[in-house]
Amino acid sequence: AQSVTQLGSHVSVSEGALVLLRCNYSSSVPPYLFWYVQYPNQGLQLLLKYTTGATLVKGINGFEAEFKKSETSFHLTNPSAHMSDAAEYFCAVSAYGNKLVFGAGTILRVKS
Amino acid sequence: GAGVSQSPRYKVAKRGQDVALRCDPISGHVSLFWYQQALGQGPEFLTYFQNEAQLDKSGLPSDRFFAERPEGSVSTLKIQRTQQEDSAVYLCASSLAWGEQFFGPGTRLTVL
Repeated sequence: AQSVTQLGSHVSVSEGALVLLRCNYSSSVPPYLFWYVQYPNQGLQLLLKYTTGATLVKGINGFEAEFKKSETSFHLTNPSAHMSDAAEYFCAVSAYGNKLVFGAGTILRVKS
Repeated sequence: GAGVSQSPRYKVAKRGQDVALRCDPISGHVSLFWYQQALGQGPEFLTYFQNEAQLDKSGLPSDRFFAERPEGSVSTLKIQRTQQEDSAVYLCASSLAWGEQFFGPGTRLTVL
């Protein structure tokens, strides 16, 4: 069985500040981990993913995440927030690329 | 088409009505997934097809929910005798086998 916990349903940062969105997972098999972004009235867009290999993965728009097996974490960061980053972010886990199990989501607000 | 399309984008149904939601996956994608996203929550897995075979329907919440993909391309999710708790956004995703899932914009179902 797999599950995802996202700490903080809402995160607010100032423009140009560091973004940190937290994700912890549980998986009985080696996990594939994903971060998706959802803009209002749009579908989910993949930001980045970890399958195997390098534990620090880089995605679009300056986002990156680090897989830490010992902490069962896959936190998402961006060194400098932009207004256009305001959206809802979902962490997800899957077994061998099969169905995705999502967290509850974190709404990111960027203040000018 | 460039991406996954879903129709209708919005559907309002009276309690007890049957509804059918359509998903057109990316051409050539063998895998197709349906997810349900309730307000304020992350998407939850409903069912999965590989070509025309429904390999996993463990997430369907009741026997009122039925999905098909008869020719291995377009898929339809049918909900019989809709209830208010069925109100949600229904997301469809497609992928190459074991690949990245590409999501459609979703169908927002409101049951009155």
